[in-house]
Amino acid sequence: EVKLEESGGGLVQPGMSVKLSCTTSGFTFSDYWMEWVRQAPGKGLEWVAEIRNKANNYATYYGKSVKGRFTISRDDSKSIVYLQMNSIRSEDTGIYYCTRTHSSYNVMDAWGQGASVTVSS
Amino acid sequence: DIQMTQSPSFLSASVGDRVTINCKASQNINRYLNWYQQKLGEAPKLLIYNANSLQTGIPSRFSGSGSGTDFTLTISSLQPEDVATYFCLQHNSWPRTFGAGTKLELK
Repeated sequence: EVKLEESGGGLVQPGMSVKLSCTTSGFTFSDYWMEWVRQAPGKGLEWVAEIRNKANNYATYYGKSVKGRFTISRDDSKSIVYLQMNSIRSEDTGIYYCTRTHSSYNVMDAWGQGASVTVSS
Repeated sequence: DIQMTQSPSFLSASVGDRVTINCKASQNINRYLNWYQQKLGEAPKLLIYNANSLQTGIPSRFSGSGSGTDFTLTISSLQPEDVATYFCLQHNSWPRTFGAGTKLELK
């Protein structure tokens, strides 16, 4: 069974940092690009970041609103993907979903349940 | 960025009804459009990929059509378990962008 489980969310003060983890199982992690997608309260979904696999040189991509503040990384030995969130802002509040995309088919085909991040002083 | 305009935002239908949900892209995305279903408290689930390909394990009452800029998700005969929010995703170009979602409820 394919599983993606996010952790590390919570209440964070503006300007501080938080690191999300997505622990995966049930599939060949190295075959997939991993991504983060978020949803602010009452808003639509926003793609945040992507990290490709070793075959694609672990290339990373970011949405405009997080570029320079967030860093996506992965540990293929542990099948975990991370999202380091720095200089966090109130508009970063939301549910953060970990997703996978098959590197050959470019289809986002599985999502985790999400981790909540609330930015407030 | 490609804008995805999804309609309607809210839909109320009866069991057995044929339901259609639309997504319109601000520019040509070929067939790179996926449809997802999200039930309350659950992770989103892929229904249709590349406009019209049914994901493994998804009931055949779900279908997708379209290419270029206009796409449709159809539920041929609505079932009670289909109550959910549905959204589209374009993966023709980065950044990936989503439709705003359609909340489907039973009448």
